[in-house]
Amino acid sequence: DAGVIQSPRHEVTEMGQEVTLRCKPISGHNSLFWYRQTMMRGLELLIYFNNNVPIDDSGMPEDRFSAKMPNASFSTLKIQPSEPRDSAVYFCASSPLGDEAFFGQGTRLTVV
Amino acid sequence: SQKIEQNSEALNIQEGKTATLTCNYTNYSPAYLQWYRQDPGRGPVFLLLIRENEKEKRKERLKVTFDTTLKQSLFHITASQPADSATYLCARPAGAGSYQLTFGKGTKLSVIP
Repeated sequence: DAGVIQSPRHEVTEMGQEVTLRCKPISGHNSLFWYRQTMMRGLELLIYFNNNVPIDDSGMPEDRFSAKMPNASFSTLKIQPSEPRDSAVYFCASSPLGDEAFFGQGTRLTVV
Repeated sequence: SQKIEQNSEALNIQEGKTATLTCNYTNYSPAYLQWYRQDPGRGPVFLLLIRENEKEKRKERLKVTFDTTLKQSLFHITASQPADSATYLCARPAGAGSYQLTFGKGTKLSVIP
C-alpha cells in the first residue's frame, strides 16, 4: 500500500477563494482524521470519521470549514472562503480502530 | 479536556548519549500513550505505543515508560545518532474509549556529531 495520499502537496491561494484538500486513506482502515498543524498551536484535530460517518467535528474552527467522506477511499476538506489565518499544514491520517495513526505527507496551505 | 504537554521545545544532545524526552498529561490516566517522530516537511510516523498497565516498552534503541503516579511518560533514545534528529510527539486518546488522538506540541531533538 502506498500509504495515506494527500493532494495537493502545496497550495497558494488568495483570500476569499475556495480551497479543497484531498485524501485517500489506507485501504481497510476504518478511521480517518483531519489535523491542522501550526507552530503556535501544534497538531490540532479538526474532524474524525468512522466508517465514512463524521463522528466528531468539534475541532472544525468555523462554518467556513467543511469535510466529507463520500466513500471509504476518499475524503475532502474544504475551506470557503479562505482567510490568511487558515495558513497551516493540513494532515490527513487513517487508522485501524484503536491502533496507531498513519499520516499523509500533508498539504501546506498559504492564503495571501 | 484531556491535555498533554511536552515541556521542552528543543533538546540538544551529543552523539552517543542517551536522549530523554518528557510528556506530561492531565486528568485521568489514558488507556495508552503513543510516540511519533516527525521530520521536516513530512507527516508524523508512529514509533511506540505503551498501555496503562505497562511500565516500560522497548524497540531497538528506543524505550518508553509510563508512570501513572507522576502522570508522565519518558521517551529515551540510547546511543543517539545524528539521524535521530527530528521532532518527537506524544499523543493520548482525546477521551475515554476515544479513537481520536490529542497531540503534544513536540520536542525538537538535535543530535550533535
